[in-house]
Amino acid sequence: QKEVEQDPGPLSVPEGAIVSLNCTYSNSAFQYFMWYRQYSRKGPELLMYTYSSGNKEDGRFTAQVDKSSKYISLFIRDSQPSDSATYLCAYHSGGSNYKLTFGKGTLLTVNP
Amino acid sequence: DVKVTQSSRYLVKRTGEKVFLECVQDMDHENMFWYRQDPGLGLRLIYFSYDVKMKEKGDIPEGYSVSREKKERFSLILESASTNQTSMYLCASSSEGLAASRGFGPGTRLTVL
Repeated sequence: QKEVEQDPGPLSVPEGAIVSLNCTYSNSAFQYFMWYRQYSRKGPELLMYTYSSGNKEDGRFTAQVDKSSKYISLFIRDSQPSDSATYLCAYHSGGSNYKLTFGKGTLLTVNP
Repeated sequence: DVKVTQSSRYLVKRTGEKVFLECVQDMDHENMFWYRQDPGLGLRLIYFSYDVKMKEKGDIPEGYSVSREKKERFSLILESASTNQTSMYLCASSSEGLAASRGFGPGTRLTVL
């Protein structure tokens, strides 16, 4: 079983749609959960960060973590063309461990 | 915000050439990383450094070496470039024990002919 599974898409939605992006993981040691956004020909930038089960909201973005099911989601409300990017989930086991485990990314296009 | 800069956005080299990719961060971060990113394979860690002159191999270190002589600077070296090293190379840095502080540079698109 792969450590992280992320649907690569591509995902194409109309402007204003609610977008759901998902990742599953198998490693119970993962304690911290992140979503990165990567625009074309740019480096990834941290979008959301959480370390507990439940929801975390930041503007139009909501990160949801279900540790019992080993499942994380990113919801984008009222999606905009500027949200078009690749979204990467990432996991960290905490402490001084340097390793971040990344999903392969989902390519999202929001059409005006 | 973390500011990570990379010396080149695009680079074209020939097979067998020695290639240097430079990365500088201005956040006084202890940790610095080199990744490569390829379609269908995602981000893969090449090397990691947790202090000056200290380094650890990541998941795919073969064909690469690194140098960290100063805290803010981390170099990736391709001793003899090969076509299978054509890729997007991303540098990142983070504060010790704070995974969410990891910030990435803009990337260097390297093409080896």
